[in-house]
Amino acid sequence: AQKITQTQPGMFVQEKEAVTLDCTYDTSDPSYGLFWYKQPSSGEMIFLIYQGSYDQQNATEGRYSLNFQKARKSANLVISASQLGDSAMYFCAMKDTGNQFYFGTGTSLTVIP
Amino acid sequence: ETGVTQTPRHLVMGMTNKKSLKCEQHLGHNAMYWYKQSAKKPLELMFVYNFKEQTENNSVPSRFSPECPNSSHLFLHLHTLQPEDSALYLCASSQGTPLEQYFGPGTRLTVT
Repeated sequence: AQKITQTQPGMFVQEKEAVTLDCTYDTSDPSYGLFWYKQPSSGEMIFLIYQGSYDQQNATEGRYSLNFQKARKSANLVISASQLGDSAMYFCAMKDTGNQFYFGTGTSLTVIP
Repeated sequence: ETGVTQTPRHLVMGMTNKKSLKCEQHLGHNAMYWYKQSAKKPLELMFVYNFKEQTENNSVPSRFSPECPNSSHLFLHLHTLQPEDSALYLCASSQGTPLEQYFGPGTRLTVT
């Protein structure tokens, strides 16, 4: 079974608007971490934000916030005030116990001027 | 240099060739990773090294052979590859209990 599911292969957003990228995960471990990465066309994966399973508050990093709903096993990324440079692939990932990292198939975000 | 670097950035090789991918991190991290990224598939974790010791090998074919001589350098030796091995190979590093990983720019490998 897939550990990380990203159901949106492609998304469009108007510049300066907010956008939500969906991510659901599957694990029975009580302790896990959730990550979002951005991959521009240059190929490098850039870490954006992290949420621990025991964190009470949603993580925020500048214009990025993670909408963590533990009971629903979802960890959606919200990008506020979209910029043209936000156009990229976005990957949700999870690390559970052990050294295993699981990535989703990604969402391609295009910001429209 | 800062961050994680990978060389070469692009590689084309025949199925009978032997080549190596190199990764170097300048972040003082003690864990390093190799990932394979194929089109329309999730990133696949191949190997993990902690303090130069291999801790994970996710059923990777033996035609891929990793080497970690020290905490800053990681190699992926390639031999008798198949066309389906064509992909972007990403190296990453992290510090201690892995929180975020820092990725290199990747090597785009094409096997002909």
